[in-house]
Amino acid sequence: KQEVTQIPAALSVPEGENLVLNCSFTDSAIYNLQWFRQDPGKGLTSLLLIQSSQREQTSGRLNASLDKSSGRSTLYIAASQPGDSATYLCAASSSSGTYKYIFGTGTRLKVLA
Amino acid sequence: EAQVTQNPRYLITVTGKKLTVTCSQNMNHEYMSWYRQDPGLGLRQIYYSMNVEVTDKGDVPEGYKVSRKEKRNFPLILESPSPNQTSLYFCASSLWATIKKNEQFFGPGTRLTVL
Repeated sequence: KQEVTQIPAALSVPEGENLVLNCSFTDSAIYNLQWFRQDPGKGLTSLLLIQSSQREQTSGRLNASLDKSSGRSTLYIAASQPGDSATYLCAASSSSGTYKYIFGTGTRLKVLA
Repeated sequence: EAQVTQNPRYLITVTGKKLTVTCSQNMNHEYMSWYRQDPGLGLRQIYYSMNVEVTDKGDVPEGYKVSRKEKRNFPLILESPSPNQTSLYFCASSLWATIKKNEQFFGPGTRLTVL
């Protein structure tokens, strides 16, 4: 059964730092992995989707990588800003012959001005 | 504007009183899904639908029902709500090109309290 883990649960960094958020999954036979951002009391905003055949995806200051063999994905945020403060979630598709999605519990990021 | 809408946004009810949370999308998406979010447990998938009249269980389907009679709508039904179903519920949809390209977009959430 697919399990998704995000460590650390919380992270505080000064403005301007480059940072990496981690997402680990137990079953490497995924179809895709998606990163989301969630602001307090709000819904989820899709950031990046990486297909199983891809190694990375980029959008602005964000870069997500995928290493299926090691069961890891990372979200790299360059030159962090206070507006990046939010909870970041990753979700991996289940490979059990169904089309389910398993979410990690998220990393709560605070960027200090 | 392309969006996923949910109604109601907030609901307080009592144990055993049947309720329905509606979800609608205007993007002609095939795939739709319901999740619940609980502190410490993250988001867990309740049900999903690949297309009209095609639904399947997620990881936590007990106590919930869904239907997909139209492509744009995917209501979540709680026949007999219990306090352990108090949660924040999200609906999501995606254009099903293939599962590899299944990028999900989320609604604003429905906060349900069952007393």
